Amino acid sequence: TQLLEQSPQFLSIQEGENLTVYCNSSSVFSSLQWYRQEPGEGPVLLVTVVTGGEVKKLKRLTFQFGDARKDSSLHITAAQPGDTGLYLCAGNYGGSQGNLIFGKGTKLSVKP
Amino acid sequence: EPEVTQTPSHQVTQMGQEVILRCVPISNHLYFYWYRQILGQKVEFLVSFYNNEISEKSEIFDDQFSVERPDGSNFTLKIRSTKLEDSAMYFCASSEQGVNVLTFGAGSRLTVL
Repeated sequence: TQLLEQSPQFLSIQEGENLTVYCNSSSVFSSLQWYRQEPGEGPVLLVTVVTGGEVKKLKRLTFQFGDARKDSSLHITAAQPGDTGLYLCAGNYGGSQGNLIFGKGTKLSVKP
Repeated sequence: EPEVTQTPSHQVTQMGQEVILRCVPISNHLYFYWYRQILGQKVEFLVSFYNNEISEKSEIFDDQFSVERPDGSNFTLKIRSTKLEDSAMYFCASSEQGVNVLTFGAGSRLTVL
């Protein structure tokens, strides 16, 4: 059974601080996705990474895929209150047709 | 921006009743999915659907569950005889390219009493 562990589970920081959240597995992903989910809404895709070592940037967000494709990180620079939310990673193992394995998420709170 | 639309937003039903959750995927998308999220737990895959047939399903998606694309625009999830443990948020998702780029709907909350 594939498992995705996300850490930390909760993170509360002040506006302007930097932060990194992690997503780890003992299995190799075909691809990995990061989502943001607001209360009462569905997950919204932020990025998909496919290649080991890949780095993608989305404004102040930097996503990195581990060389061995077993882990990933999301770094936010100069966090803003609008970044508050639940960040989920989801992995596709073995070229599945839709069976994304989700982590439990990191709940981020950015205080003004 | 195109979106995936789900109805109802919340349904309350009695145990043993049939429930149909409806989804209107993005119009040019070809791949369709149902996921669920029990309160406080992870999002879990139920089923994927392509070319009018199920392409993959999880262990959760047993004989009580079925999916249908009845008219080329709707994608439905039917639970034949609901159990208490079916209470969850059910998310529909669609994609033009496959599992690497999913667009999720806002979800349908199912409460089974």
